[in-house]
Amino acid sequence: QQQVKQSPQSLIVQKGGISIINCAYENTAFDYFPWYQQFPGKGPALLIAIRPDVSEKKEGRFTISFNKSAKQFSLHIMDSQPGDSATYFCAASIVPFFGNEKLTFGTGTRLTIIP
Amino acid sequence: NAGVMQNPRHLVRRRGQEARLRCSPMKGHSHVYWYRQLPEEGLKFMVYLQKENIIDESGMPKERFSAEFPKEGPSILRIQQVVRGDSAAYFCASSPPSLRLYNEQFFGPGTRLTVL
Repeated sequence: QQQVKQSPQSLIVQKGGISIINCAYENTAFDYFPWYQQFPGKGPALLIAIRPDVSEKKEGRFTISFNKSAKQFSLHIMDSQPGDSATYFCAASIVPFFGNEKLTFGTGTRLTIIP
Repeated sequence: NAGVMQNPRHLVRRRGQEARLRCSPMKGHSHVYWYRQLPEEGLKFMVYLQKENIIDESGMPKERFSAEFPKEGPSILRIQQVVRGDSAAYFCASSPPSLRLYNEQFFGPGTRLTVL
């Protein structure tokens, strides 16, 4: 019940295209859903995050779509650029009253943007 | 404001030796998390600590692994009698304390442990 399932495992998109990565979760107690970007040899960095009280959040070229009833959320990268080539992880967590909670990560999507 | 610092960045140990991984959180952050990333896999939670307290160690293997975050100094993840299966990247993250808000976890660059 703690799993977060992520697909696809790898994705190749042409420059300028839209990259879409999907995640699904089981635990209905999750109420914080971030996406992390990781470059080779580096630690993950927060890209964008959403709480379940909204169905969509947009920051620049990055958009999270959230479907609470389906327990699914996705990352859309518009106008994909070669610099977006990285591994992307979705994650989920519970927001406690005080402090924080562990992140449960998906298995990652290796995105490659080709010219 | 320096980010989360981890050292060493690369660590090579022979089977049976001890590995000590260090993490200095960002300034003002009192919460530290350790995650392990096996090759071609996502990050798996290991332990969540606050100063001098272990809050959640549900992801820690029962044997050989321990973690601490003393009042002074960095957080330490200690692996005793390492085996080849311990080879992985170990990431530390930190966050500030909060009340009913979720604070971003900032990740360090990781320590890549190789067990020969």
